[in-house]
Amino acid sequence: DAGVIQSPRHEVTEMGQEVTLRCKPISGHNSLFWYRQTMMRGLELLIYFNNNVPIDDSGMPEDRFSAKMPNASFSTLKIQPSEPRDSAVYFCASSSIYSRRDRGTDTQYFGPGTRLTVL
Amino acid sequence: TQLLEQSPQFLSIQEGENLTVYCNSSSVFSSLQWYRQEPGEGPVLLVTVVTGGEVKKLKRLTFQFGDARKDSSLHITAAQTGDTGLYLCAGGYAGGTSYGKLTFGQGTILTVHP
Repeated sequence: DAGVIQSPRHEVTEMGQEVTLRCKPISGHNSLFWYRQTMMRGLELLIYFNNNVPIDDSGMPEDRFSAKMPNASFSTLKIQPSEPRDSAVYFCASSSIYSRRDRGTDTQYFGPGTRLTVL
Repeated sequence: TQLLEQSPQFLSIQEGENLTVYCNSSSVFSSLQWYRQEPGEGPVLLVTVVTGGEVKKLKRLTFQFGDARKDSSLHITAAQTGDTGLYLCAGGYAGGTSYGKLTFGQGTILTVHP
């Protein structure tokens, strides 16, 4: 079975350019999460969706960041304009929120990440 | 914001030694998960604990959830070089608008030398 698919795996861009990161969750999963990981701040939740609807975007750093989930099998995270401080590894994860609702113990399956470098 | 603090941040040991990683919070979580991440990959779930005082064993790894569900520990017996990686704890929420969301600790980088 295919896991979470992310593209591109690596992205190098110049400050001011638009960056679009893509994610395909595991088929059948109805929750999708975007995270950012840096040495300084660890793994931070940026935004997550349940059934394609954004539930919590309080982790989105600022208006330069936006995320969409037009259907159950695709999501994008866009940064416009990009800045050097956005350099990080961005992870997408998916889970099924109905599996253990009473315990809140959904397993999140992570993609391989996109390593973004903004020069 | 509920925070999870992990300690130590870095751990460098010799093969065969035992170690413990701690995950602490001032808040109560409905569940606590431990993930392991290798370089160039995403985190992978190791275990989930949901009951206060619960202890789970996975081969040489022992996980414990505190009685008050605010803290957890991961103990590795006789570490091997294959245990090298980043270990992350994550707290889960059972209800409300935060359902399904995980809050991650900063992680512990474990290096096991041959």
